[in-house]
Amino acid sequence: DTAVSQTPKYLVTQMGNDKSIKCEQNLGHDTMYWYKQDSKKFLKIMFSYNNKELIINETVPNRFSPKSPDKAHLNLHINSLELGDSAVYFCASSHHPQTGTNYGYTFGSGTRLTVV
Amino acid sequence: GQNIDQPTEMTATEGAIVQINCTYQTSGFNGLFWYQQHAGEAPTFLSYNVLDGLEEKGRFSSFLSRSKGYSYLLLKELQMKDSASYLCAVKDSNYQLIWGAGTKLIIKP
Repeated sequence: DTAVSQTPKYLVTQMGNDKSIKCEQNLGHDTMYWYKQDSKKFLKIMFSYNNKELIINETVPNRFSPKSPDKAHLNLHINSLELGDSAVYFCASSHHPQTGTNYGYTFGSGTRLTVV
Repeated sequence: GQNIDQPTEMTATEGAIVQINCTYQTSGFNGLFWYQQHAGEAPTFLSYNVLDGLEEKGRFSSFLSRSKGYSYLLLKELQMKDSASYLCAVKDSNYQLIWGAGTKLIIKP
């Protein structure tokens, strides 16, 4: 009955590879997000998506692309992985940011990506 | 630019009280959140403030002053399991969450 589940939990891969991280939520939330948390523990928003609108953080390289087959899923695909992509990636979901203002985000357990 | 400031690290004693401060400068304000994150785990929602004043929830309380751009999280009767990072986040005028870097709280026996 996990609310936000993401897989895999750990991912070790070589530079230049292409990889995907999957995320699913069963909370009926309208909006899903991808965050990157680096070694300094800053949570940086990468994407937010609510079926109608994709908001991309302009600092995110275009090697990163979100893919949403339906409202409950938002996967993250990364092309040509680089050493600097090593971090923990969190998926999260929430009610619509404007209508559900007092609700927090629910996070997945994170994917620790290591690029070697 | 938008900015959230919190102390990097704090240390407190088991059974004591600790206050973690957060100051913010954002384009607009639609609420302030506190999250707890244990090492190697996901952030979990603690509290939400949108009006000035104190919100109490068990051992944890959160205070907001919008005019001062200031909030604090108050933890009472500290337990060892409270050792974690505490993240302050503000929802701006575009309803985007702006995150602080978090305060690592170390509890000593």
